Amino acid sequence: AQTVTQSQPEMSVQEAETVTLSCTYDTSESDYYLFWYKQPPSRQMILVIRQEAYKQQNATENRFSVNFQKAAKSFSLKISDSQLGDAAMYFCAYRAAGTSYGKLTFGQGTILTVHP
Amino acid sequence: NAGVTQTPKFQVLKTGQSMTLQCAQDMNHEYMSWYRQDPGMGLRLIHYSVGAGITDQGEVPNGYNVSRSTTEDFPLRLLSAAPSQTSVYFCASRTSVSFGEQYFGPGTRLTVT
Repeated sequence: AQTVTQSQPEMSVQEAETVTLSCTYDTSESDYYLFWYKQPPSRQMILVIRQEAYKQQNATENRFSVNFQKAAKSFSLKISDSQLGDAAMYFCAYRAAGTSYGKLTFGQGTILTVHP
Repeated sequence: NAGVTQTPKFQVLKTGQSMTLQCAQDMNHEYMSWYRQDPGMGLRLIHYSVGAGITDQGEVPNGYNVSRSTTEDFPLRLLSAAPSQTSVYFCASRTSVSFGEQYFGPGTRLTVT
C-alpha cells in the first residue's frame, strides 16, 4: 500500500523569506502523480501544485516550486517570498496513474505559520 | 458554476442517530469520493464512485453507506453514529482524465456526542 509521510508537524517562516516543506512517499508504482494542497482556516482544500512522476522537470507555480526526487521518493514544496496569506495547513498527496480510480493518499499535514 | 457543494456545514448528533451528508457537483465529473479528516492523520478515503450506479469502499468504510443514482449527487449516510465518527468530512469530484484535478467541497464538521 502507498504511504505518504510529512515529518514536520509544524514549520514557521518570516514574511518574505523562503521555507521548504518535506514529503516522502512509498510506492511500487512507476507512474503516479504528486500534489500539494493548502488548507487555510476556512477549511477549503486548495490545490497548490502538482507533479507527474514521468516528468523530470520540477513543477513551478509562481512562488511555489517542488523538488521532486523520484529515486529518493521525495517531494518537497518550496515557498518563496512567503506572505501572510500562505499561513495554512499543507498536505502532500499521492495518486497512482493508470488505475480504475486512483485514490488520493494524504500525508499527515504540516502547519505553516508566517510571522510578519 | 458552484463546483462541489456540501450540506450541512456543521452537525451535532447523538450516539445511535442516523443522518445523511449531502454532496453535489455541477461539473459533470465521473468520479466522486468522500474523505474524512482527523487531527494528525490527513484525509482518508471512505467511499468512492466512478459513475452513476457504481460505488466502492475506500480505506475506512465501516459505519458509512453511499449510493450514486445520478452523476451530480453522492450522499454519505451514517447508519448509527458513534463518537469515533466525529470528524470533518469532505466530498470531492474529478474527471476521469488521468491527471484530472480533484475538486473539494467546503467540508462538514460532524460531532457525535
